[in-house]
Amino acid sequence: DQQVKQNSPSLSVQEGRISILNCDYTNSMFDYFLWYKKYPAEGPTFLISISSIKDKNEDGRFTVFLNKSAKHLSLHIVPSQPGDSAVYFCAAEFLWDKVIFGPGTSLSVIP
Amino acid sequence: NAGVTQTPKFQVLKTGQSMTLQCAQDMNHNSMYWYRQDPGMGLRLIYYSASEGTTDKGEVPNGYNVSRLNKREFSLRLESAAPSQTSVYFCASRVGQGEITEAFFGQGTRLTVV
Repeated sequence: DQQVKQNSPSLSVQEGRISILNCDYTNSMFDYFLWYKKYPAEGPTFLISISSIKDKNEDGRFTVFLNKSAKHLSLHIVPSQPGDSAVYFCAAEFLWDKVIFGPGTSLSVIP
Repeated sequence: NAGVTQTPKFQVLKTGQSMTLQCAQDMNHNSMYWYRQDPGMGLRLIYYSASEGTTDKGEVPNGYNVSRLNKREFSLRLESAAPSQTSVYFCASRVGQGEITEAFFGQGTRLTVV
């Protein structure tokens, strides 16, 4: 049973608009959440993170929101750019170094 | 600065053959990880090592063994490869030991078992 879920396998957005990627988790013990971005034939690279004691973290065009009561987080990209086209993985951490990833959402930003 | 280096990048094995995937990091990180990526399944944790000398099972450890050879190196061994182990394997490392930081990934090893 997946502990970290990304229910949208793919998402298409027009350039300049907002991209919203969603992630749900089942384990209330998770205390830290991260988003990674992956281009084809490359390893994932870190994008942004949020601690469970916060509800928002912002870094440039990227903002992550955390709703602990709903066990839900989302990544907002504003404005979306063609270079943002990639697979985005949500990840959650607990038990001192154990990091669990979701299945990923493939984002396509259309020029 | 090489970061995380995985070898080989590609490998084809016959069912029942064995092989070891190598991973080395030059960032003096304490924690190292092995993941496999399959379509629709994302990255699944096979094994991890929180520090030199320790290893722990992840989500999908069956059919694999690992060795944390030293602080830099963390290898993944398939003793008797099966077609279900066809996947892309990623090694990762991070500072660890209580510091919440991002993981750095290698380029991946694409393994096909026929």
